[in-house]
Amino acid sequence: EPEVTQTPSHQVTQMGQEVILRCVPISNHLYFYWYRQILGQKVEFLVSFYNNEISEKSEIFDDQFSVERPDGSNFTLKIRSTKLEDSAMYFCASSEVRLNTGELFFGEGSRLTVL
Amino acid sequence: KNQVEQSPQSLIILEGKNCTLQCNYTVSPFSNLRWYKQDTGRGPVSLTIMTFSENTKSNGRYTATLDADTKQSSLHITASQLSDSASYICVVSGRGNTPLVFGKGTRLSVIA
Repeated sequence: EPEVTQTPSHQVTQMGQEVILRCVPISNHLYFYWYRQILGQKVEFLVSFYNNEISEKSEIFDDQFSVERPDGSNFTLKIRSTKLEDSAMYFCASSEVRLNTGELFFGEGSRLTVL
Repeated sequence: KNQVEQSPQSLIILEGKNCTLQCNYTVSPFSNLRWYKQDTGRGPVSLTIMTFSENTKSNGRYTATLDADTKQSSLHITASQLSDSASYICVVSGRGNTPLVFGKGTRLSVIA
């Protein structure tokens, strides 16, 4: 069964360092998303991406965050200068069609720990 | 403000018993409502998606109901198993490209 894959599964970094989280969405999907979940809290939307550009982003997704699809298969989330409060599980997701009609598939997540 | 509220926050039941989880939402205009199962430290996995016109939908031992008039949904789990222990998250989609609105989830523990 096709799945969304994410790497790394866990990354520990020092505050102020840059982090790149990688995702390979399901191959025929056109819409890509990043969500985060701080331990014990609800899943929060970060950004959606379609047709090689950001279509929606939340207040969390400030200038420290960026996304790109460098090679047609990978979808990356970069945090330029990590803060302690960036520690969370980051989930990539993809859908074949727009979310008001389609199924959303999540990856297993990348746990980011900022020290 | 678009919100999704779930109850109870947590629940402990004996293996084999049934349970029902609740979800109330204020998302408008409404497009669909989803229930996800999230095992600890894993990504959410879809159980059901229901649109405005659907009142009930089943996926094995999971049955979701939707009352779009009162903006309420429930997830009923029949004959619970130890592997049902997880968080169950209610997620509501508005129309257009608006982001999904997540509830905080109900943490279910099934014990032997």
